[in-house]
Amino acid sequence: NAGVTQTPKFRILKIGQSMTLQCTQDMNHNYMYWYRQDPGMGLKLIYYSVGAGITDKGEVPNGYNVSRSTTEDFPLRLELAAPSQTSVYFCASSSASGGHLREFFGPGTRLTVL
Amino acid sequence: QQQVKQSPQSLIVQKGGIPIINCAYENTAFDYFPWYQQFPGKGPALLIAIRPDVSEKKEGRFTISFNKSAKQFSLHIMDSQPGDSATYFCAASDAGGTSYGKLTFGQGTILTVHP
Repeated sequence: NAGVTQTPKFRILKIGQSMTLQCTQDMNHNYMYWYRQDPGMGLKLIYYSVGAGITDKGEVPNGYNVSRSTTEDFPLRLELAAPSQTSVYFCASSSASGGHLREFFGPGTRLTVL
Repeated sequence: QQQVKQSPQSLIVQKGGIPIINCAYENTAFDYFPWYQQFPGKGPALLIAIRPDVSEKKEGRFTISFNKSAKQFSLHIMDSQPGDSATYFCAASDAGGTSYGKLTFGQGTILTVHP
């Protein structure tokens, strides 16, 4: 299993541009998440999904959108990039089987908005 | 409140030392407390986790101590090695409720273990 994969690894955007961060998992997990990581701030939840077609906002959703058309894929969309969105973005997935949840993280996408 | 407060922000120890990282939470609904280890350029990886029905859990050189009444938990790394140098995050979630595994993270601790 490849686990959770993310593309691209790095990206530089200009203010106002848009892009989609891709995330795919091959573990057949129902739950998927997008976090952003800023220095000294830990990870903050942007959006999450409990299954195909079901998404909900996390702690910091403004400026982002998501969709979940399949179990495997959970892309994150930035419509009008702003410098405040410069961050490292992590996608994660987890399975709720057996009452124990374990999140598996992808390698991250480092985004710079200039 | 959903906050999880982590300290210290950074920590330097000598090889063989026992670094201790502390976390405190406010939400009494939290019932799952994992620790994640992150190396530069990588995503966080689960290191060890505890539920509030036990006060301590050990896995190899890593130990979580949990104090439910104080709403605090800590990570101890026994016989630390230079390879343990990484950023450590505590986290918490309401795994048994409707939080769907959403984690609330602490701010992170950068650990450096000198040879």
